[in-house]
Amino acid sequence: AAGVIQSPRHLIKEKRETATLKCYPIPRHDTVYWYQQGPGQDPQFLISFYEKMQSDKGSIPDRFSAQQFSDYHSELNMSSLELGDSALYFCASSLRRRQNTGELFFGEGSRLTVL
Amino acid sequence: ELKVEQNPLFLSMQEGKNYTIYCNYSTTSDRLYWYRQDPGKSLESLFVLLSNGAVKQEGRLMASLDTKARLSTLHITAAVHDLSATYFCAGRNSGGSNYKLTFGKGTLLTVNP
Repeated sequence: AAGVIQSPRHLIKEKRETATLKCYPIPRHDTVYWYQQGPGQDPQFLISFYEKMQSDKGSIPDRFSAQQFSDYHSELNMSSLELGDSALYFCASSLRRRQNTGELFFGEGSRLTVL
Repeated sequence: ELKVEQNPLFLSMQEGKNYTIYCNYSTTSDRLYWYRQDPGKSLESLFVLLSNGAVKQEGRLMASLDTKARLSTLHITAAVHDLSATYFCAGRNSGGSNYKLTFGKGTLLTVNP
């Protein structure tokens, strides 16, 4: 079965640079979530999109922005990178229907290292 | 805002032993999830608990949900080394349009021979 695809898997950037992460959700899933996981930490919710519209916002810095495109893929843009942005970034997708379990399916993650 | 607390955060077990991980949550959550994560890897869904009294089992793992006590447990039976991983519970706020999951801090399980 198709899973959530994230790219790139690894990314190394310098401070103050910009990075873009991409996410392709499971086909027919209508909701995409972005999470950030620091070393030894739990995943922290950043932002979500339902049917290409932003549906919820968490602890996402103003330097970060995200969008979901007409083909349902999503991109997380991070600017003015700081050392503290080094983390694993997960994209997850789900199907938001009343009878659905609400289970989130996670991609393999994109590891960002800021030097 | 939903808060999820797990304990213990670190658990070192001998193979063959049993143990339970506890997950408490602060406000009404209409469902509870358990995920497994190996180091540097993705989050793998283990169980989805949808109602009070729900119990699910897969191999040596069994999860249960008590919505009145706002408590879920993950019971490990006769642990084996392959179960070594970090286990997260996650809740979802009931009602509204909030579909994100809020995770606990995770329990790092190490199973020793």
